Amino acid sequence: DAGVIQSPRHEVTEMGQEVTLRCKPISGHDYLFWYRQTMMRGLELLIYFNNNVPIDDSGMPEDRFSAKMPNASFSTLKIQPSEPRDSAVYFCASSLNRGTGDSPLHFGNGTRLTVT
Amino acid sequence: AQKITQTQPGMFVQEKEAVTLDCTYDTSDPSYGLFWYKQPSSGEMIFLIYQGSYDQQNATEGRYSLNFQKARKSANLVISASQLGDSAMYFCAMREVTPTDSWGKLQFGAGTQVVVTP
Repeated sequence: DAGVIQSPRHEVTEMGQEVTLRCKPISGHDYLFWYRQTMMRGLELLIYFNNNVPIDDSGMPEDRFSAKMPNASFSTLKIQPSEPRDSAVYFCASSLNRGTGDSPLHFGNGTRLTVT
Repeated sequence: AQKITQTQPGMFVQEKEAVTLDCTYDTSDPSYGLFWYKQPSSGEMIFLIYQGSYDQQNATEGRYSLNFQKARKSANLVISASQLGDSAMYFCAMREVTPTDSWGKLQFGAGTQVVVTP
């Protein structure tokens, strides 16, 4: 059973460049989450989707960030233009709503983004 | 407002001893779920244990148990018989309902770094 797959694992880019992070959730899961982890701010929820529909994007820091989920097996998080303060580890996670509330999030291995 | 509070930034524990990691939460919703995750130095997030707000008994999973005190709004993780491999960051998280989604939103505390010493 393949877990959540994120690509790339590492991304180094220059300020002003566009960055696209990719995520393939676990097959059959109906929720997908994007988190950002930094030393200063910890784990922040950026946005999450249910059945490919964005439910809450209140954590997206600003208009430079956008996320899409065109189908049940793929999601992207895009930063355009990137800035050094966007440097962080970005996690994608998925989950299945079984109606019992106890379903955990399954995390990918994360993408470490460095913006110079 | 901070919903999940983990007051211990770091802890040392000797191998084979038990350790308790504190977690308090804030919610006015009667229905919620509490989760603990482990993040070793390699970076992955590993689910450990879950406690539902209506669960009558404290959750247990192997060497992990959850000391759930609903009235105090605390959900402390107990790791028994610590092993060197338990050295990691541990996160407490809570799932709340929202006006637009009755299930999904999970928010994390700041984490507690645990170092197990021989």
